[in-house]
Amino acid sequence: RKEVEQDPGPFNVPEGATVAFNCTYSNSASQSFFWYRQDCRKEPKLLMSVYSSGNEDGRFTAQLNRASQYISLLIRDSKLSDSATYLCVVNGGGSYIPTFGRGTSLIVHP
Amino acid sequence: DAGVTQSPTHLIKTRGQQVTLRCSPKSGHDTVSWYQQALGQGPQFIFQYYEEEERQRGNFPDRFSGHQFPNYSSELNVNALLLGDSALYLCASSFSGTGGSGEQFFGPGTRLTVL
Repeated sequence: RKEVEQDPGPFNVPEGATVAFNCTYSNSASQSFFWYRQDCRKEPKLLMSVYSSGNEDGRFTAQLNRASQYISLLIRDSKLSDSATYLCVVNGGGSYIPTFGRGTSLIVHP
Repeated sequence: DAGVTQSPTHLIKTRGQQVTLRCSPKSGHDTVSWYQQALGQGPQFIFQYYEEEERQRGNFPDRFSGHQFPNYSSELNVNALLLGDSALYLCASSFSGTGGSGEQFFGPGTRLTVL
């Protein structure tokens, strides 16, 4: 089993839709979690951290489920500009090595 | 405030050659990590430098080596290049005060092509 797994997609949704991605991780000792966004042929950029209590930033909501070992990202009212690859990152568990998932591709169409 | 910078942006080499990639971290950051990203995959951790020493290393052969300078900038060296080394090489910087929490800022990357 891979340390961090994501459905590569693509998720193809119309503008205005709500879409959710999950990311599972295998190391139960993991301590910090993040979502990054990566546009085609660009570098990853931090979208948001994921806290135990969950967090929301505008149209984006991230949640952590430690019992089932997954994090989620919910995007409401999708915009064309949300089209990108969303990478989850899991860190900790005794090392400084952040582990990236392979990313989930989102395509928002008119 | 300059972000993370990397050079060169693109590089073409042939098998067996050696390459050096360079990275300057974001102002105020003291930790530099290097990643390899193949097409369609997430970034794979190569190693991390802090206080001029390699602090952690991912599952990469000894052909991959690095260095961090007193001004926190870093180099990634790859010897005896293989075709499979063709990838986007990303540098990410962070501040040690976050306790290695993983909140990193990435440079634009160096796209390496090995022929």
